[in-house]
Amino acid sequence: QVQLQESGPGLVKPSETLSLTCTVSGASITDYYWSWIRQPPGKGLEWIGYIYYSGSSNYNPSLKSRVTMSVDTPKDQFSLKLNSVTAADTAVYYCARHYYDILTGYYTDAFDMWGQGTMVTVSS
Amino acid sequence: QSALTQPAPASGSPGQSITISCTGTSSDVGSYNLVSWYQQHPGKAPKLMIYEGSKRPSGVSNRFSGSKSGNTASLAISGLQAEDEADYYCCSYAGSSTCYVFGTGTKVTVL
Repeated sequence: QVQLQESGPGLVKPSETLSLTCTVSGASITDYYWSWIRQPPGKGLEWIGYIYYSGSSNYNPSLKSRVTMSVDTPKDQFSLKLNSVTAADTAVYYCARHYYDILTGYYTDAFDMWGQGTMVTVSS
Repeated sequence: QSALTQPAPASGSPGQSITISCTGTSSDVGSYNLVSWYQQHPGKAPKLMIYEGSKRPSGVSNRFSGSKSGNTASLAISGLQAEDEADYYCCSYAGSSTCYVFGTGTKVTVL
């Protein structure tokens, strides 16, 4: 059974760096694309970026200057760093897997497995 | 890149059918048949219901169906059940620069 679990500090001070890790179990991190998605309290979802085990990545243009993602293949983990945070970055952060359609053999532009989410508050 | 537009609330009685719209632009929904739909219950992670506009992942009820016309995608729920009460979000691929844009979300209430 595939599981994703986010971990990291729940409180980050303004102007500092938010760091989160997603640990994948039940699947190999090399077999899929992985994304980070966030949801401010009471608001909608926002895609942050994706990464592949090779290091290939793409980020939301609105966050690109502040985001870095990385993969630790031996640990089956991938990480998110968001620097210079403000209160607007307060949100539940989800890690998610891109859906691989076994019938077509292609990766899809959809997210089929999600972590439970971790709440990150930016406050002094 | 602006969020895709969804109606705020939608409701229906058990057994009825409802349709949720998701309006984008010619840069996202209109250009690609790559809209996905997610169901999110309070305090839970989203669940994939539809991908590539109209395909259902294994395990998703056939009461859920997706379609697209021009810049607007739609999610139809037939035979409404109490468990369908949730927030629903659409998401579209929007090209290699922007990648993915989500909708504003629609709260579905089963009366």
